Amino acid sequence: EPEVTQTPSHQVTQMGQEVILRCVPISNHLYFYWYRQILGQKVEFLVSFYNNEISEKSEIFDDQFSVERPDGSNFTLKIRSTKLEDSAMYFCASIAQTNTEAFFGQGTRLTVV
Amino acid sequence: AQKVTQAQTEISVVEKEDVTLDCVYETRDTTYYLFWYKQPPSGELVFLIRRNSFDEQNEISGRYSWNFQKSTSSFNFTITASQVVDSAVYFCALSVNQAGTALIFGKGTTLSVSS
Repeated sequence: EPEVTQTPSHQVTQMGQEVILRCVPISNHLYFYWYRQILGQKVEFLVSFYNNEISEKSEIFDDQFSVERPDGSNFTLKIRSTKLEDSAMYFCASIAQTNTEAFFGQGTRLTVV
Repeated sequence: AQKVTQAQTEISVVEKEDVTLDCVYETRDTTYYLFWYKQPPSGELVFLIRRNSFDEQNEISGRYSWNFQKSTSSFNFTITASQVVDSAVYFCALSVNQAGTALIFGKGTTLSVSS
């Protein structure tokens, strides 16, 4: 069964460092997303990506964040200068068509120390 | 603006009990989609069901059933004869009818089923 894969599963980084979280969406899907979940809280939308550009972003997705799909398969989320409050589980998701179910990756747990 | 409210933060039941998880949503859009996801202790998000705003038929899948009522803006989820493996956080989510629109999640309900 096709699945969304994320790497790494856990990343620890020092405050101020750049991190790149990687995702491989399901191959025939068209829409890609990043969500985050601070420990014990709800899942929050960060950004959506379609046709090689951002289609929507939340207030959380400020200038410290960027996304790209460099090679047609990987979908990355970069945080330029991490803060303690960026510590969270980051989920990548993809959907085949608009408003169909989102398939989520296993998540990357980011810990900023 | 859209909003999803899951008023029950935590529910504890004993195996074989039935349990209903409540979800109330807000949107001004006439076309929208409702979802339930399960997050087991391992952390992944598992899709359970998707329902569009024009389909108010209740749905049953094994021990799971969903009750969608537009009149009360609710999309409740019932687990019949709960099992320990049902222990998880359950999220209700909403998306509106725009291309690529994001899911708006409720805060989740933590279900603990003891043996």
